[in-house]
Amino acid sequence: GQQLNQSPQSMFIQEGEDVSMNCTSSSIFNTWLWYKQDPGEGPVLLIALYKAGELTSNGRLTAQFGITRKDSFLNISASIPSDVGIYFCAGQYIAGANSKLTFGKGITLSVRP
Amino acid sequence: DVKVTQSSRYLVKRTGEKVFLECVQDMDHENMFWYRQDPGLGLRLIYFSYDVKMKEKGDIPEGYSVSREKKERFSLILESASTNQTSMYLCATRTSSDTQYFGPGTRLTVL
Repeated sequence: GQQLNQSPQSMFIQEGEDVSMNCTSSSIFNTWLWYKQDPGEGPVLLIALYKAGELTSNGRLTAQFGITRKDSFLNISASIPSDVGIYFCAGQYIAGANSKLTFGKGITLSVRP
Repeated sequence: DVKVTQSSRYLVKRTGEKVFLECVQDMDHENMFWYRQDPGLGLRLIYFSYDVKMKEKGDIPEGYSVSREKKERFSLILESASTNQTSMYLCATRTSSDTQYFGPGTRLTVL
């Protein structure tokens, strides 16, 4: 089946630094989504991408839908302590009633003050 | 804003008990999902529903059932809870643009 790869499992950065996370797939997707999850909470949608090559920003966050449709990246600029959390990518190929998302296992981000 | 609510944030049950987890959305979305999340395993789909009274098995349906009697409510049922069902349970709803929004989660512990 489809798999999404996110690595490394954990990242440690200094406050103020930029960080980039990548998500790769063994097959193509039509939709890429990026979520952030705080401890004990549900994932919160950060950015949604619907078109190959699309570059979308949400405040200090920028995400891109790869041209090959097999990858996406998320960039966080000027990190702050509240950026700490788990960042998931998710992709979907088939649209419609029975379509499902495939999730990456997430990257745990730590920000040192 | 999309709002997905789950009936309990924390739940403790005993082995063999019947457990109901409720999820409600206020956006008239047709598609709703139940996932469980475990360390190292990520999010795994249990069941989903694309209309009232319609349901489809996800990747790990064993030990679970679901009910969708009204569009806004999707219930996950553990007929006889077991310790290996201790997990974080997440409900989600999907928009017409295929974006999924999650509820806050229910942390279930089965003793």
